[in-house]
Amino acid sequence: AQSVSQHNHHVILSEAASLELGCNYSYGGTVNLFWYVQYPGQHLQLLLKYFSGDPLVKGIKGFEAEFIKSKFSFNLRKPSVQWSDTAEYFCAALPGSARQLTFGSGTQLTVLP
Amino acid sequence: NAGVTQTPKFRILKIGQSMTLQCTQDMNHNYMYWYRQDPGMGLKLIYYSVGAGITDKGEVPNGYNVSRSTTEDFPLRLELAAPSQTSVYFCASSSHRRGGVGTEAFFGQGTRLTVV
Repeated sequence: AQSVSQHNHHVILSEAASLELGCNYSYGGTVNLFWYVQYPGQHLQLLLKYFSGDPLVKGIKGFEAEFIKSKFSFNLRKPSVQWSDTAEYFCAALPGSARQLTFGSGTQLTVLP
Repeated sequence: NAGVTQTPKFRILKIGQSMTLQCTQDMNHNYMYWYRQDPGMGLKLIYYSVGAGITDKGEVPNGYNVSRSTTEDFPLRLELAAPSQTSVYFCASSSHRRGGVGTEAFFGQGTRLTVV
């Protein structure tokens, strides 16, 4: 069965620290990959997406992610986090041949001022 | 600029009651999804649909039913509410074509359901 793994359940950083959140998926072949953010009490909003082309994807609010096919990974990065980045982050995958959009279990990011 | 609209936003049900969570999208998306979100568990797919008249079970379909009579609407039905169905429910839609061309999923605001 397809799966998406996020190994960091809770990350705590100070402002201006660098961030990297891990995401691994379990299927080969064509895959569409996404990172979503959920602020407290709100719905999921798209940070960035990868469909094809340049494996380094830039998103909103200074976030970026790198698709490494050989490692089945799509890690999220930000050089310098802000207090306002405190939220839960979800990685998701949709294989090209599948119809189910599968999410990881999420990573809660807390940024200390 | 409505996007995906879910109603209601909050609901309290008694055990054994039934209800329908409404979801409608105005982007002409062919794919629609229902997820439930529980603390620390991420989003679990309940049902999904790839077009009008077509629905499929996701990871946690038991206790739920769906229909997709139109492209726009994808209601989720709870027939006999149980405490285990206390959760936040999200509807989403996206567009996909052969070859993987499409869009990301757009989410509704969510429905917080409590079964007592």
